[in-house]
Amino acid sequence: EVQLQQSGPELRRPGSSVKLSCKASGYSITDYLMHWVKHRPEHGLEWIGWIDPEDGETKYAQKFQSKATLTADTSSNTAYMQLSSLTSEDTATYFCARSRAYYSGDFDYWGQGVMVTVSS
Amino acid sequence: DIQMTQSPSFLSASVGDRVTLSCKASQNINKYLAWYQQKLGEAPKLLIYNANSLQTGIPSRFSGSGSGTDFTLTISSLQPEDVATYFCLQHNSWPGTFGSGTKLEIK
Repeated sequence: EVQLQQSGPELRRPGSSVKLSCKASGYSITDYLMHWVKHRPEHGLEWIGWIDPEDGETKYAQKFQSKATLTADTSSNTAYMQLSSLTSEDTATYFCARSRAYYSGDFDYWGQGVMVTVSS
Repeated sequence: DIQMTQSPSFLSASVGDRVTLSCKASQNINKYLAWYQQKLGEAPKLLIYNANSLQTGIPSRFSGSGSGTDFTLTISSLQPEDVATYFCLQHNSWPGTFGSGTKLEIK
C-alpha cells in the first residue's frame, strides 16, 4: 500500500527556515516525481514544484523559486522541502503528492499535510 | 497562469440525487484535468484523471467529462460518504493550477 507520511506541525519565527519531510512507503521514490503543494484556506491550493528523486532534477513555480528547495534521499525513501526566509505568508498546510505516472503532472497519492505556522 | 473556476462553491443535495460539479479553464487545457475528493482531516483522493478516466478503486457512480475549457464531475447517485470538498487540477500548462473547490453536503 502506497503511503506518504509527512512530519509533524511546525512553529517558526519570521526570517527562519523549516525543512519538511515526506517518507514514502509501498513504492520506491525513484519511480515517480514528488510534488509539493501549498494550501491556505483564503488562497486555495498552489503548486510549489516537483523533484525527480531518480536524478535530483527539480522544477519550481516561479513564485516559489527563491522560497522552496526540494531534495530527496533515496536511501531512506524520503523527500524534503526546505522553506527559507519565512514570513506570515508562508503560514499554510503543505502537502507532498506522488505523480500519477512517472512524469505526469497530476497526483495519485497525497501525504496528510503538515501545518507550518510562522509567528513571532 | 491558467485560472480554474469551479461552480458551485457549495452544494446541498439529497441521498440518491444526481450531482454535477463544474470546472472551467481560462484557456484550452485539452484533457489534462483531474478531480479530487477531500474529506475533513484526510488527504485528497484522486477520483478522475485525464478528464474522464476513473481512478482504480473509485466507485463507478463517479464520472468525468469534458475537454478544452469545460469539464464536469458527476455523481450519479449521491451517497452519505460523498460528503467532502471536490476540487479540480489542470496540468496542461506549467504551473498546474487548482480550482477553488466545491463543498458538497447532504440535505
